[in-house]
Amino acid sequence: QVQLQESGPGLVKPSETLSLTCTMSGGSMSPYYWDWIRQSPGKGLEWIGYISYSGSTKYNPSLNSRVTISVDTAKNQFSLKLRSVTAADTAVYYCARWLGGSSGAHDYWGQGTLVTVSP
Amino acid sequence: EIAMTQSPLSLPVTPGESASISCRSSQSLLHSSGVNYLNWYLQKPGQSPQLLIFLGSNRASGVPDRFSGSGSVTDFTLKISRVEPEDAGVYYCMQPLQTPLTFGPGTKVEIK
Repeated sequence: QVQLQESGPGLVKPSETLSLTCTMSGGSMSPYYWDWIRQSPGKGLEWIGYISYSGSTKYNPSLNSRVTISVDTAKNQFSLKLRSVTAADTAVYYCARWLGGSSGAHDYWGQGTLVTVSP
Repeated sequence: EIAMTQSPLSLPVTPGESASISCRSSQSLLHSSGVNYLNWYLQKPGQSPQLLIFLGSNRASGVPDRFSGSGSVTDFTLKISRVEPEDAGVYYCMQPLQTPLTFGPGTKVEIK
């Protein structure tokens, strides 16, 4: 059974960089895609971007210039960096496995981690 | 970017009755392969979203058969037959056809 666990600071100051890591266990990172998705308080879901097991990335254009997603397959981890954060980036951040073109489904999700942007 | 809309945004339901949620996309989700790239997720209170339906009408593993998905191109429906108390939560449709992947605003199902 695949499990995903987000980790990282729960509080980030404005203009700084939000950094989160997702650790996968119980499966293989290949041949899947690994996503970051966020949910602002009381709001819906926003796709941030993905990284493939081989390292190719795709980001939401609304965040493109501030986002970097990286992968470390040896550690079964992938990471999110979001630069120059503001209060609008306060959200629960989820990592998820995306099956890509076969079904387009996110079949496993982490429990989510709340990141608050505040001085 | 493909925009997703849902209706209604709030849906009170009595246990044992059926419920339907509509989802519309601003562009066709019908792939040249004949498959509709439309998924449904349920987010129960305090939990992460969970996959219910993929490719328009395929139930995910472990999803009860009272959940069914239908529709094509730009108009899709999630139907819950014989609603149970554990079906409460927010239902999202989502298109994985093209990036950025986009979600609908969600439909909150409340059990009376």
